Amino acid sequence: EDQVTQSPEALRLQEGESSSLNCSYTVSGLRGLFWYRQDPGKGPEFLFTLYSAGEEKEKERLKATLTKKESFLHITAPKPEDSATYLCAVLSFNKFYFGSGTKLNVKP
Amino acid sequence: KAGVTQTPRYLIKTRGQQVTLSCSPISGHRSVSWYQQTPGQGLQFLFEYFSETQRNKGNFPGRFSGRQFSNSRSEMNVSTLELGDSALYLCASSSDRGVETQYFGPGTRLLVL
Repeated sequence: EDQVTQSPEALRLQEGESSSLNCSYTVSGLRGLFWYRQDPGKGPEFLFTLYSAGEEKEKERLKATLTKKESFLHITAPKPEDSATYLCAVLSFNKFYFGSGTKLNVKP
Repeated sequence: KAGVTQTPRYLIKTRGQQVTLSCSPISGHRSVSWYQQTPGQGLQFLFEYFSETQRNKGNFPGRFSGRQFSNSRSEMNVSTLELGDSALYLCASSSDRGVETQYFGPGTRLLVL
């Protein structure tokens, strides 16, 4: 069964304390892996697309990496404004499968 | 380019009523997907439309239906509303050229009383 699992469910960090979020997947026919950021009451905001194992993408304090079984979203020296829920999604054939998200809280 | 727009943004209905939600995709995007998001279930896929045809469907009852118009705008309808239908309904569009990213709208918050 196609499945996307994100961990941890929630993460509290102090400002400047780097960490990583995990997205593991078991799907057939992976065509792409996507990271989104979602603020409360808003639609998910696109961050990255990764297509193949070994690929990496960066944007400001965020860096996404992909292996054959999982993806990591590394957050370097986070700031309070990075607080949000981070969603991972996988495109398998023509269907998107979303994880349940990691709720990140960065304290000043 | 303007982003994905959804109307209305907020809606309050009572059980048994029906509701229609609207989504306008990014210009040039032909694929529109709908999702239901609740705190307990996360993002659940409802259906996807491409060139006015339903291409994929999630595991929701027949009370949930949708359609897409020739200009790629899409509507979603929920009939005989239940309390459990209270959720944030999200629309996402993509251009569907190969592996394409979905871009989300702000959502419609539906409350069923």
